[in-house]
Amino acid sequence: LAKTTQPISMDSYEGQEVNITCSHNNIATNDYITWYQQFPSQGPRFIIQGYKTKVTNEVASLFIPADRKSSTLSLPRVSLSDTAVYYCLVGLSGYSTLTFGKGTMLLVSP
Amino acid sequence: EAGVAQSPRYKIIEKRQSVAFWCNPISGHATLYWYQQILGQGPKLLIQFQNNGVVDDSQLPKDRFSAERLKGVDSTLKIQPAKLEDSAVYLCASSPLLQGGLRETQYFGPGTRLLVL
Repeated sequence: LAKTTQPISMDSYEGQEVNITCSHNNIATNDYITWYQQFPSQGPRFIIQGYKTKVTNEVASLFIPADRKSSTLSLPRVSLSDTAVYYCLVGLSGYSTLTFGKGTMLLVSP
Repeated sequence: EAGVAQSPRYKIIEKRQSVAFWCNPISGHATLYWYQQILGQGPKLLIQFQNNGVVDDSQLPKDRFSAERLKGVDSTLKIQPAKLEDSAVYLCASSPLLQGGLRETQYFGPGTRLLVL
């Protein structure tokens, strides 16, 4: 399984755009990149998933360069409620398991 | 659509006691996962079921942990006997079985917070 590296923590202010980068140098050809968000006392929640280039949904955008060795989760105009831990995961579809790292603790201040 | 249900939400036991957790996945989801999340760490997969069969239990401490998913729907996770280091949040997740190459999205329950004294 591809190992991921992300910053332990990030700070931001309300209304700013936040970009969290994840490194996955050993990503395999068939691996997808998935991001989850976790609030205190809750289970993780799926945010976005992608394979290459750019994916956008109502919550975030995911940018994946051509070599796929990294990916960037972009949160537009964050609010206080975006304070959470964000996990980057890499893995195959189907039966293979995903491994959670320690994630990135994002703190949004007023 | 109802989410993943877990019970109890909290449990306090003494070491060497036994404890069981229950999970009811989202209706129709073929895959069920149990994770252990220790404070400050990401969730660690304990066991993964596909319907009522085990797909991956490589990280399940089988000397004390057991899990079953009878009839391929709800599931129980048991710890017997519990140790201090088992204090953690136990998360259950489920996902549908999708066609094609897209990674299945996992839907997590609220978790059961276990404290072993």
